Amino acid sequence: ETGVTQSPTHLIKTRGQQVTLRCSSQSGHNTVSWYQQALGQGPQFIFQYYREEENGRGNFPPRFSGLQFPNYSSELNVNALELDDSALYLCASRPRQGATGYTFGSGTRLTVV
Amino acid sequence: AQRVTQPEKLLSVFKGAPVELKCNYSYSGSPELFWYVQYSRQRLQLLLRHISRESIKGFTADLNKGETSFHLKKPFAQEEDSAMYYCALSTLGFGNEKLTFGTGTRLTIIP
Repeated sequence: ETGVTQSPTHLIKTRGQQVTLRCSSQSGHNTVSWYQQALGQGPQFIFQYYREEENGRGNFPPRFSGLQFPNYSSELNVNALELDDSALYLCASRPRQGATGYTFGSGTRLTVV
Repeated sequence: AQRVTQPEKLLSVFKGAPVELKCNYSYSGSPELFWYVQYSRQRLQLLLRHISRESIKGFTADLNKGETSFHLKKPFAQEEDSAMYYCALSTLGFGNEKLTFGTGTRLTIIP
């Protein structure tokens, strides 16, 4: 059984650029969530996907968007990057709608310069 | 809106001493509470869930709805307990499922 894998592990982008982060959920997990963890803070919920549709969204602007694919993998896209977007982005998956017990990936460290 | 508060950013405890990491929450519904742990250079992982009422690695946590608390406790600290600990609250319901995390407590066990 593989866990949650994220790519890339590190990324440096320039302000105003766009970025795509990727996540492969754990085998058998069909619900994927994305979190942003700024330095010294706890993870903050961005959004969640279930059956390829957004199912819940946190307090993030529309330039944060995502996708979920039929194999349950997911992407997080951020447009018009700002310096404050620099953070660790975590992907988490769990088995089914309504079940709890998320498995987290190691994250992608995004630095915006 | 839901909120999780961990009042201590840093906590140092001697090996063998009792440990208590504090967590308070606010949520109008019926919450599910978790403790997550992140050891050095490792990913965030689930330590325990209140609904399971289990003890993991000697840690326990009891949900106190009257005090809206979910403190994490261990009677005798071990060096391998040094890590970052996050308390989290889960809200369920279609379109509103998410984990709300506290800011975390870094626990250091002094040999």
